[in-house]
Amino acid sequence: SQQGEEDPQALSIQEGENATMNCSYKTSINNLQWYRQNSGRGLVHLILIRSNEREKHSGRLRVTLDTSKKSSSLLITASRAADTASYFCATGPSGGSNYKLTFGKGTLLTVNP
Amino acid sequence: DTAVSQTPKYLVTQMGNDKSIKCEQNLGHDTMYWYKQDSKKFLKIMFSYNNKELIINETVPNRFSPKSPDKAHLNLHINSLELGDSAVYFCASSYGTGSRNYGYTFGSGTRLTVV
Repeated sequence: SQQGEEDPQALSIQEGENATMNCSYKTSINNLQWYRQNSGRGLVHLILIRSNEREKHSGRLRVTLDTSKKSSSLLITASRAADTASYFCATGPSGGSNYKLTFGKGTLLTVNP
Repeated sequence: DTAVSQTPKYLVTQMGNDKSIKCEQNLGHDTMYWYKQDSKKFLKIMFSYNNKELIINETVPNRFSPKSPDKAHLNLHINSLELGDSAVYFCASSYGTGSRNYGYTFGSGTRLTVV
């Protein structure tokens, strides 16, 4: 069964505003990753946060991880129209040698100019 | 310069036909994957190869057969196509099976439509 669940399913904001997306998961993880998918394109890796990390930044992106609540959030600050895309969280399992990412259903972010 | 390239980008075919999708990566990664994205954008892993060895084989109909001639290539052959096979198929690659420090690099996808 799928591991990550993003919330909300869809988000519409104005350019310049901040966008926050949440992800919840069910089992123990080694890391959690966020990806962006523009319409009709492949997924692009944005950021990876390990299970022993609580917060990570990359440019206008800020990711938090709360392993006690099994949740993560992705904050995009000062959004731009070009940020319009679907955003997916993906979890890497702890333990086991066959590493695979399990994806959620994504949040569709629309940034209006 | 394309890191993970898939061909074809679009594939329209009739039910019952057999088709193949090809994937190549020039990143030096040793692990490659096939994911299927359905109409609701849900991504599900199908197969994974590490250095030409099959390491992940999810519950997928045996009409789907992956082949990895070398660690830079992973192809997907589908026999007797059905309407339900219509989806976008993504190839991806990464470093190592036990690597937990790197993300995946995805191809741009192959949109398969079975009519």
